[in-house]
Amino acid sequence: GAVVSQHPSRVICKSGTSVKIECRSLDFQATTMFWYRQFPKQSLMLMATSNEGSKATYEQGVEKDKFLINHASLTLSTLTVTSAHPEDSSFYICSARWTGGGTGELFFGEGSRLTVL
Amino acid sequence: AQSVTQPDIHITVSEGASLELRCNYSYGATPYLFWYVQSPGQGLQLLLKYFSGDTLVQGIKGFEAEFKRSQSSFNLRKPSVHWSDAAEYFCAVGAGTGFQKLVFGTGTRLLVSP
Repeated sequence: GAVVSQHPSRVICKSGTSVKIECRSLDFQATTMFWYRQFPKQSLMLMATSNEGSKATYEQGVEKDKFLINHASLTLSTLTVTSAHPEDSSFYICSARWTGGGTGELFFGEGSRLTVL
Repeated sequence: AQSVTQPDIHITVSEGASLELRCNYSYGATPYLFWYVQSPGQGLQLLLKYFSGDTLVQGIKGFEAEFKRSQSSFNLRKPSVHWSDAAEYFCAVGAGTGFQKLVFGTGTRLLVSP
């Protein structure tokens, strides 16, 4: 099946710094990727839909100036957490839709755990 | 608005015993339903999905799920659980155009006892 990879898998940063997380579709092109956030022992909450070549669409309550999303190519979307604070510590997961075979299945990355000190 | 309820936060099953994880959804139209499994610190892996047709869906790793429209349910089952099945299980409903957005339930943590 299709593979989606995230990098880094773990990152620790100081409060006030910015952190970039990459999401790559390794063997397919994805015009749309999705970014989710997962708090400990909780479900995944959709943050935004990343569209190649256009602005991301953010879910209600998600600060677009804090969580910058760039989908510069058909295989790469990046999430930048700007001026990170401890409350931004979370597990961030991306997904991409694979249209090959007609299933339209979503494939998920391994996730990136952000810890803000 | 779409929503998914997984009423069981934790379930403990003996190895070799059968398993059923409950999922109820709320969606105005015909739902697209999914079950995912997440191992600790990992992303999500699709177990199975229902789009239409046969209401009993077979998935990977010996899992199956049955869509029951009258009960708005999509329960996940496995006849014999293995220790490696211990993980977090999420039910999700597809929403939006082309069901691109997934609305997840809160998850059920499966523990497998020897």
